[in-house]
Amino acid sequence: AQKVTQAQTEISVVEKEDVTLDCVYETRDTTYYLFWYKQPPSGELVFLIRRNSFDEQNEISGRYSWNFQKSTSSFNFTITASQVVDSAVYFCALSEAYNTDKLIFGTGTRLQVFP
Amino acid sequence: GAVVSQHPSWVICKSGTSVKIECRSLDFQATTMFWYRQFPKQSLMLMATSNEGSKATYEQGVEKDKFLINHASLTLSTLTVTSAHPEDSSFYICSAGTSGRGGETQYFGPGTRLLVL
Repeated sequence: AQKVTQAQTEISVVEKEDVTLDCVYETRDTTYYLFWYKQPPSGELVFLIRRNSFDEQNEISGRYSWNFQKSTSSFNFTITASQVVDSAVYFCALSEAYNTDKLIFGTGTRLQVFP
Repeated sequence: GAVVSQHPSWVICKSGTSVKIECRSLDFQATTMFWYRQFPKQSLMLMATSNEGSKATYEQGVEKDKFLINHASLTLSTLTVTSAHPEDSSFYICSAGTSGRGGETQYFGPGTRLLVL
């Protein structure tokens, strides 16, 4: 069975701190895709990153970085020098590789960044 | 690019009425659209997957006759909540994918908040 676990329900940090959001997944597929989405208070989900199972390179995009480790089935997300605008719920998701774009979401991590 | 719109963004209705929510992909053709439901402080629950020109595939536990989905074109899918009741009050979100072959990024609409009185 496929499953995504985000063990951190809520995280609070002060502006400029670095913060890492954890994501652990389970799948029997050898080919799969992992995603991170941001949901600000407005409600709309914003796509952040997509990674396929054959690409274990870490990625950096500005203050955001992602660490994909197949050995531990983790796809963690780090925000460097956090800002108040980073306050949101962040969802990690897993997609089956064949015949569907269906996403399996984790329960989300609510990040609050205080000034 | 990859913009998805939803209309309306808010709807308040009386119990027993039907509500239609539209989901449009504005700058791309969506082979597949998905409908999710989200309760406060919870994750997204997939309700159904719709492919253009064919019947929607509903997730287990989702009533087909209650939540009617039509995917009439490559840019439009609609969700109709029939005979809405207070327990149907929720945040409904659609998303659109481009291939249906697996692993493609889904782009989400801004969501529709439904309140049934």
